[in-house]
Amino acid sequence: SAVISQKPSRDICQRGTSLTIQCQVDSQVTMMFWYRQQPGQSLTLIATANQGSEATYESGFVIDKFPISRPNLTFSTLTVSNMSPEDSSIYLCSVEASYEQYFGPGTRLTVT
Amino acid sequence: GQNIDQPTEMTATEGAIVQINCTYQTSGFNGLFWYQQHAGEAPTFLSYNVLDGLEEKGRFSSFLSRSKGYSYLLLKELQMKDSASYLCAVRDGSGGYQKVTFGTGTKLQVIP
Repeated sequence: SAVISQKPSRDICQRGTSLTIQCQVDSQVTMMFWYRQQPGQSLTLIATANQGSEATYESGFVIDKFPISRPNLTFSTLTVSNMSPEDSSIYLCSVEASYEQYFGPGTRLTVT
Repeated sequence: GQNIDQPTEMTATEGAIVQINCTYQTSGFNGLFWYQQHAGEAPTFLSYNVLDGLEEKGRFSSFLSRSKGYSYLLLKELQMKDSASYLCAVRDGSGGYQKVTFGTGTKLQVIP
């Protein structure tokens, strides 16, 4: 299993600013995933982050808007840049271990 | 790409059995997951199927038919706490890396 923590758990930000979300895992994992879950909707994959290489972004998501760092096998950050109200969402970090996918508690972001 | 379909909402009675269906289309199928998500919380893993057949785990069972692109989650002896969203997710390995895509989720309401 894997235990994942995220910081911050929630934040309220002004439009035009940026927020960096941290994800820490209690074990070493090859791939970490960042998802977004907008109110009342399912999870949408933003990008996959491998240690030591650039993240792979899904259609509709770009590095300039959602830069990701993966400095080691237990940590990653996702930055939401130049925020707008449409970025209000829950952002979830996830890892896969033993064919199961585990999720962090999420970061609830509100952009005003 | 992937296409995952599941009913939007279902209602069932406490103590009864409910089956939540999921159909999918993917080019590089490499496993299907079911997750439970209570409102305001992160998804929690329920089951993983990669071979055809039924996997039973307590009150929950999951079935997979790869040839039909079909899965279902069976919940027995329903309890009020089972009221949640149930997410079907498919792992695809055709893009050179493993990617898990989620369906829109089925919101289950258990009534007395």
